[in-house]
Amino acid sequence: DSGVTQTPKHLITATGQRVTLRCSPRSGDLSVYWYQQSLDQGLQFLIQYYNGEERAKGNILERFSAQQFPDLHSELNLSSLELGDSALYFCASSVEQTGTQYFGPGTRLLVL
Amino acid sequence: GQNIDQPTEMTATEGAIVQINCTYQTSGFNGLFWYQQHAGEAPTFLSYNVLDGLEEKGRFSSFLSRSKGYSYLLLKELQMKDSASYLCAVRDSWGKLQFGAGTQVVVTP
Repeated sequence: DSGVTQTPKHLITATGQRVTLRCSPRSGDLSVYWYQQSLDQGLQFLIQYYNGEERAKGNILERFSAQQFPDLHSELNLSSLELGDSALYFCASSVEQTGTQYFGPGTRLLVL
Repeated sequence: GQNIDQPTEMTATEGAIVQINCTYQTSGFNGLFWYQQHAGEAPTFLSYNVLDGLEEKGRFSSFLSRSKGYSYLLLKELQMKDSASYLCAVRDSWGKLQFGAGTQVVVTP
């Protein structure tokens, strides 16, 4: 158990819908990262927050957005969902901006 | 940007040794990580190298050569539970991790 928690574990929804994924970092960690892992793409970095501020962006679609709240938990919002958005979404956290990242158990999203 | 290459799959026998190679090309290097990932589960941190040389952690060791853009993960005394995907990841100067596609290790009895 890494200490990073994610909810929900599984999510099934329809195309065109919007969902919110939630992540709580390890106690004391200020940095949160979001990744997408699909079968044909591997683990892709989406976005990073540090102490409430956006720090780095990867290949995140405009339909996706994220934020980190004052209590340091983070949410990833996915809208206008498409079949291709079906994937595992992982959150990771680290103490510093460049620290070792520890991953949560992931949210498995299925878009039908 | 960064380009990370590692073999797709390796098979080895229980009790044997397997070496997973990773080569990378990067515009900014700030460390190399190895993670283990069982199917459908989260990646778990195995090792970290930022300086050249060998880091040993029990049955797992990781080596880095920055001048050659090369790393390897050595798994000794293989156990069935070591069957998993092993991900090489390079960190840039901003802290972003770029992952390789992963090497699926299959341990056979």
